Amino acid sequence: AQSVTQLDSHVSVSEGTPVLLRCNYSSSYSPSLFWYVQHPNKGLQLLLKYTSAATLVKGINGFEAEFKKSETSFHLTKPSAHMSDAAEYFCVVSDTKAGTALIFGKGTTLSVSS
Amino acid sequence: SQTIHQWPATLVQPVGSPLSLECTVEGTSNPNLYWYRQAAGRGLQLLFYSVGIGQISSEVPQNLSASRPQDRQFILSSKKLLLSDSGFYLCAWSAGQTTSTDTQYFGPGTRLTVL
Repeated sequence: AQSVTQLDSHVSVSEGTPVLLRCNYSSSYSPSLFWYVQHPNKGLQLLLKYTSAATLVKGINGFEAEFKKSETSFHLTKPSAHMSDAAEYFCVVSDTKAGTALIFGKGTTLSVSS
Repeated sequence: SQTIHQWPATLVQPVGSPLSLECTVEGTSNPNLYWYRQAAGRGLQLLFYSVGIGQISSEVPQNLSASRPQDRQFILSSKKLLLSDSGFYLCAWSAGQTTSTDTQYFGPGTRLTVL
């Protein structure tokens, strides 16, 4: 069965410093992996998606993620944090074989200080 | 372009009262539709999904139900709300033939408080 683990429930960075949000997944088959962002009391917005093409995926707002099969990881990074990046981030996996809906991690809250 | 709407945005209901949350999608046909619940401090839990009119799959047994009376309309209902039904309800849609690999796009959500 597929699962996803976000290794940090809360990450705090200063504006202008790099962001790293960690995610590990478990999947029996070739997974599709996503990162979504949710600002307070808002719906989820897709940041980026991996579907077995390039292992380095570029998303919106300067975010990117690298798929590492050997480490079963899909960490989200951004070179320089902005105040508007403060939000909750969800790592998501789907299993192309099982045909089930998406499986969400529990989320990582990113705080950005000035 | 496709858009997804949910209403109401917020709702406060007494225990034991009925519930009806509505979700509609514009700009696409035959979407897959989903209802999720996000409780405080927890991730998203898939409640229902639908691959077509009248076709509903339930992921979690509970006192909630879902219906899809039209292609782009998805309704979440309850006959009697419980305190544990409080949460943030999100509707989502995806295109394609399967419910697994397609990107899901989320609505703005409904904040439900049961008192």
